[in-house]
Amino acid sequence: DQQVKQNSPSLSVQEGRISILNCDYTNSMFDYFLWYKKYPAEGPTFLISISSIKDKNEDGRFTVFLNKSAKHLSLHIVPSQPGDSAVYFCAARMEYGNKLVFGAGTILRVKS
Amino acid sequence: KAGVTQTPRYLIKTRGQQVTLSCSPISGHRSVSWYQQTPGQGLQFLFEYFSETQRNKGNFPGRFSGRQFSNSRSEMNVSTLELGDSALYLCASSALGEQYFGPGTRLTVT
Repeated sequence: DQQVKQNSPSLSVQEGRISILNCDYTNSMFDYFLWYKKYPAEGPTFLISISSIKDKNEDGRFTVFLNKSAKHLSLHIVPSQPGDSAVYFCAARMEYGNKLVFGAGTILRVKS
Repeated sequence: KAGVTQTPRYLIKTRGQQVTLSCSPISGHRSVSWYQQTPGQGLQFLFEYFSETQRNKGNFPGRFSGRQFSNSRSEMNVSTLELGDSALYLCASSALGEQYFGPGTRLTVT
């Protein structure tokens, strides 16, 4: 049962343009959402998070949007840079504890 | 502030053996979680420890176990290794919500 889904396995974007990565979830008990960036053979790097009581959170070039009614969140990267090329994971957490449920990931390629 | 450290970084074991992996969290973080990453199953939650107590457990067999010490350092143990246990094992520490991951231990079972 895939509770967190990233339906796009890969995304290719030109340098300087916007990258939009999408994530859907099914469990309404999730109350906190996070995005991670990962390179092969390394641990995920935390990027940005959002609580279920908010609909937007910004941190520099990264913005996360949450649409609770649609059970959908997205990560916007503006402007995209070649160094952003990596696998991006969406993760969700329930109210109690720190168990994260991860999506399958989206490979982002930023072309220069 | 030093990040999450994991030892060893790479490990090769034989089927039937057991293995212990170690994780040192970020200073001040009391929660440590363990995840397994494989190409087929992605990132899967193993268990979480908080103040030396297991607070949450994923859907893994009893061969996978862990513990946490009073200094918040954690170990996970896998007994009777199977080929399918080959994976990247990740540890994450947390204080207030965000989880910060270590570099992982790459375990290969032959």
